[in-house]
Amino acid sequence: GQQVMQIPQYQHVQEGEDFTTYCNSSTTLSNIQWYKQRPGGHPVFLIQLVKSGEVKKQKRLTFQFGEAKKNSSLHITATQTTDVGTYFCALGMNNNAGNMLTFGGGTRLMVKP
Amino acid sequence: DSGVTQTPKHLITATGQRVTLRCSPRSGDLSVYWYQQSLDQGLQFLIHYYNGEERAKGNILERFSAQQFPDLHSELNLSSLELGDSALYFCASSGRLAHIYEQYFGPGTRLTVT
Repeated sequence: GQQVMQIPQYQHVQEGEDFTTYCNSSTTLSNIQWYKQRPGGHPVFLIQLVKSGEVKKQKRLTFQFGEAKKNSSLHITATQTTDVGTYFCALGMNNNAGNMLTFGGGTRLMVKP
Repeated sequence: DSGVTQTPKHLITATGQRVTLRCSPRSGDLSVYWYQQSLDQGLQFLIHYYNGEERAKGNILERFSAQQFPDLHSELNLSSLELGDSALYFCASSGRLAHIYEQYFGPGTRLTVT
């Protein structure tokens, strides 16, 4: 089945620095979702992208879907300690019988105050 | 708070035993999903139920089974437990079937097999 690869696995940044995580696939993706999981918490939905070249913003977070729909990125401007956690991209698949999410391996973000 | 509840929060049991994890979806959601999160395998989809029917299966072992009841709560049964089954088990719920909706995750059940 389709897989999504995420890089980097870990990222340490100083508070105030920017952060970017990338999600890549060898095949065209119908959609991509992004989730955040705080330490000790559960995944929380951030956004879904479906259109080629789509860019969406949520305050300091910018999400992009590649023109070829084979990659996506999440960029955080001026990180804060509240941004700490693991960011996952996930491919949503629906075959009219059922749905599932295939998650990337995640990028763990650590922010030094 | 996502509105999805899971019990118990923690479970410690021995190899060979059987456990049941319980999940109640958000009010109005008909779909329930189960995921396993372990350090080496990441977040893996196990199974999807919609309105009481099994709809999609992922990498779910034969020793694992699930069901969704008429009141829409779901149970994941894990039997003949092995050390490698130690993981966080998440339940998630979402809306209608014929569309890819965001999923709302519960707080998880941490299973430790000793």
